Amino acid sequence: EVQLVESGGGLVQPGGSLRLSCAASGFTFSSYSMNWVRQAPGKGLEWVSYISSSSSTIYYADSVKGRFTISRDNAKNSLYLQMNSLRAEDTAVYYCARGLGNFDLWGRGTLVTVSS
Amino acid sequence: EIVLTQSPGTLSLSPGERATLSCRASQSVSSSYLAWYQQKPGQAPRLLIYGASSRATGIPDRFSGSGSGTDFTLTISRLEPEDFAVYYCQQYGSSPETFGQGTKVEIK
Repeated sequence: EVQLVESGGGLVQPGGSLRLSCAASGFTFSSYSMNWVRQAPGKGLEWVSYISSSSSTIYYADSVKGRFTISRDNAKNSLYLQMNSLRAEDTAVYYCARGLGNFDLWGRGTLVTVSS
Repeated sequence: EIVLTQSPGTLSLSPGERATLSCRASQSVSSSYLAWYQQKPGQAPRLLIYGASSRATGIPDRFSGSGSGTDFTLTISRLEPEDFAVYYCQQYGSSPETFGQGTKVEIK
């Protein structure tokens, strides 16, 4: 089955760190660009970060630049998001999503809550 | 950054009716790089339309997209019970990619 499964979310204090993972299966992960997209509770969607298939190109939203790091391990069919210096406004469900531009496959998301 | 404004915020319709959702961009969206997604409560978004008018794999033909430049439309020709959801437009022609705030299609 073609799917993406996120993990690693949880409750973290402001200023803390968290590492999200996304496990891909059912397709050739190394051939696809990947993204992280987040959704604050009751709010809309916000693109967070992009990584090309070979990791040669990486982009970040201004809201997370300098704090978040995207990476991937094609041998493990996995995508990661290292989140440092977390703020209350980073509280959201984080989705990994496949694609360059539009996103044709999404995981179910993992909830990150930043609170003291 | 391109701002996408969706209207209306909420659309109250009955099954079998036609739904017309609007997405207006603050600047022209290059090459019609405009997508539409459907999201149901507790679920991830699902890609419906890309390139303004191309249906994604497995999407029924009652969903259609149109428009160019700054004005885009998603039309659902006859609402089925499973179509009641929130719909988002997204532009991916300019960095950063941005989403509209969403239109909720609810049962009247």
